[in-house]
Amino acid sequence: QLQLQESGPGLVKPSETLSLTCTVSGGSISSSSYYWGWIRQPPGKGLEWIGSIYYSGSTYYNPSLKSRVTISVDTSKNQFSLKLSSVTAADTAVYYCARLPSAVAGTGTDYWGQGTLVTVSS
Amino acid sequence: SYELTQPPSVSVSPGQTARITCSGDALPKQYAYWYQQKPGQAPVLVIYKDSERPSGIPERFSGSSSGTTVTLTISGVQAEDEADYYCQSADSSGTHYVFGTGTKVTVL
Repeated sequence: QLQLQESGPGLVKPSETLSLTCTVSGGSISSSSYYWGWIRQPPGKGLEWIGSIYYSGSTYYNPSLKSRVTISVDTSKNQFSLKLSSVTAADTAVYYCARLPSAVAGTGTDYWGQGTLVTVSS
Repeated sequence: SYELTQPPSVSVSPGQTARITCSGDALPKQYAYWYQQKPGQAPVLVIYKDSERPSGIPERFSGSSSGTTVTLTISGVQAEDEADYYCQSADSSGTHYVFGTGTKVTVL
């Protein structure tokens, strides 16, 4: 059974960089069928797609966050990571990593991490 | 930027049918996915590829598509179906995802 687990600091100061890692177990991140991604949800608000990455390193980012986001992959550790720079209180949210919809496999966002709350505060 | 629009809320009595719509210009070209989210939990996929149901999801959940609107239907609503529901799809390029605004389903 595929499992995803987010890890990283739960508190980040304004103007600093938020860094999170997602560790995938029970399956390979190098599968050619899937993109992996980050999704966030501010308290009491809806879901927002942050970006996607393929095992080869190909990425796509939400245009509203593109200037501040970097997503990378480490296939040797079966992990992918998120960096969000110049954070403000508006970036306070639960951050989820997930396996994104696959046109090849015909699936949706079927595996999610449990989510990790990141608070931006001094 | 691309947007998917959902009604903020839907109220339904137990045993009745709830319908949640999701509208977006690229929906005729891109598949839609639906998620159920209960408080404090990660979303759960309930419909993929517009109308397919993952294993383990009750048959009362179904999806349909017509033009620029997709619909999630919950037939014979049960108290446990009270949750937030989100649609998801991609823009016309298929590379950028977006979630709908979310619909809170209240079981009266």
